[in-house]
Amino acid sequence: DTAVSQTPKYLVTQMGNDKSIKCEQNLGHDTMYWYKQDSKKFLKIMFSYNNKELIINETVPNRFSPKSPDKAHLNLHINSLELGDSAVYFCASSQEGPAYSNQPQHFGDGTRLSIL
Amino acid sequence: DAKTTQPNSMESNEEEPVHLPCNHSTISGTDYIHWYRQLPSQGPEYVIHGLTSNVNNRMASLAIAEDRKSSTLILHRATLRDAAVYYCILIDFGNEKLTFGTGTRLTIIP
Repeated sequence: DTAVSQTPKYLVTQMGNDKSIKCEQNLGHDTMYWYKQDSKKFLKIMFSYNNKELIINETVPNRFSPKSPDKAHLNLHINSLELGDSAVYFCASSQEGPAYSNQPQHFGDGTRLSIL
Repeated sequence: DAKTTQPNSMESNEEEPVHLPCNHSTISGTDYIHWYRQLPSQGPEYVIHGLTSNVNNRMASLAIAEDRKSSTLILHRATLRDAAVYYCILIDFGNEKLTFGTGTRLTIIP
């Protein structure tokens, strides 16, 4: 069973469109995250949710809106896509939140978003 | 956030041990040292973490200097599947995010 699964794996769309990426974890974890990895391979956190509550929002444009219907799911909706949004987006989860500093994060395999 | 410094790249022969260094001279007393790796076309994967004492698990060992200003990830017997980018990350007890640097790209030579 895949622990953290993201759909779709690949997403190709045109500038200006609205798209969503879904993430589900079956690990029973309390905290979920979204990271963005750009073309230079830098990985940067975007959001984190703990038990459906937003706890980290890292200077991300308002066009990006995470939604957590329950603690096993954290979806990412992006409005008015721009060329600079092309990247790989990774979802992750951890138990009890990283504030305890000893709980590893488990990552999905990423969604490769390409904007034409 | 306390910073880490890693070599950009390293090479190692298959079936030999690999020592991946990380410097973190500004580490604070509450910073944990975490290592993750990212294989090609995959998400990051947790490897190991520690605070003060050396740590071992099925994947690797973590050797932490006595002053905690540096650490070394040890892969005891490298395989081709260990070729990846390895990230050394400090996580403060009061902070809540992984801050990835540029990591070390490890190449395994058959």
